[in-house]
Amino acid sequence: DTGVSQDPRHKITKRGQNVTFRCDPISEHNRLYWYRQTLGQGPEFLTYFQNEAQLEKSRLLSDRFSAERPKGSFSTLEIQRTEQGDSAMYLCASSLVYSNNEQFFGPGTRLTVL
Amino acid sequence: DAKTTQPTSMDCAEGRAANLPCNHSTISGNEYVYWYRQIHSQGPQYIIHGLKNNETNEMASLIITEDRKSSTLILPHATLRDTAVYYCIVMSGGSNYKLTFGKGTLLTVNP
Repeated sequence: DTGVSQDPRHKITKRGQNVTFRCDPISEHNRLYWYRQTLGQGPEFLTYFQNEAQLEKSRLLSDRFSAERPKGSFSTLEIQRTEQGDSAMYLCASSLVYSNNEQFFGPGTRLTVL
Repeated sequence: DAKTTQPTSMDCAEGRAANLPCNHSTISGNEYVYWYRQIHSQGPQYIIHGLKNNETNEMASLIITEDRKSSTLILPHATLRDTAVYYCIVMSGGSNYKLTFGKGTLLTVNP
């Protein structure tokens, strides 16, 4: 257990539905990251926050995706109008600014879009 | 960030040293070498990182060649629990945020 938790661990949804995932980072960590991992591939960076500010979004993050970190603590990732191609593991990680960039990953949320 | 090349898979006998190579021939002066691993159905886990000098911690050793174009992660006494995908990542010290994972090396430790 790294101290980063994600909820839910598994989500099955029908195409076109909206889904929301939550990540709770290690409490003192001010950076929070979202990654996506499909089968047989390494994780791909989606976005990251420093405190409550979203500082970068990948081109992978289409308009259907939105992430928030309202109080600089937990974060949510919402996918609107899900598509089958959104099926993946969504990983959250956290770290400290000015650390050695050791990122602590949560267990992930496995999304299956039918 | 520089691109890395790793073998797709490797095998190692339990109790023996596992040596995982990584090529990063286009690495630039301010780029660090990071190693993470991902055990099946878990999130990635940080192992070690270095710039120029060899590094050692409780998990592993990292040997970086003098020209910095390649490195080797060494697990001195591999156990079955070390079976995982190992990722070598090169990252600028200035960017210091997003990790760019390749496909990594699947290390299988056999009894």
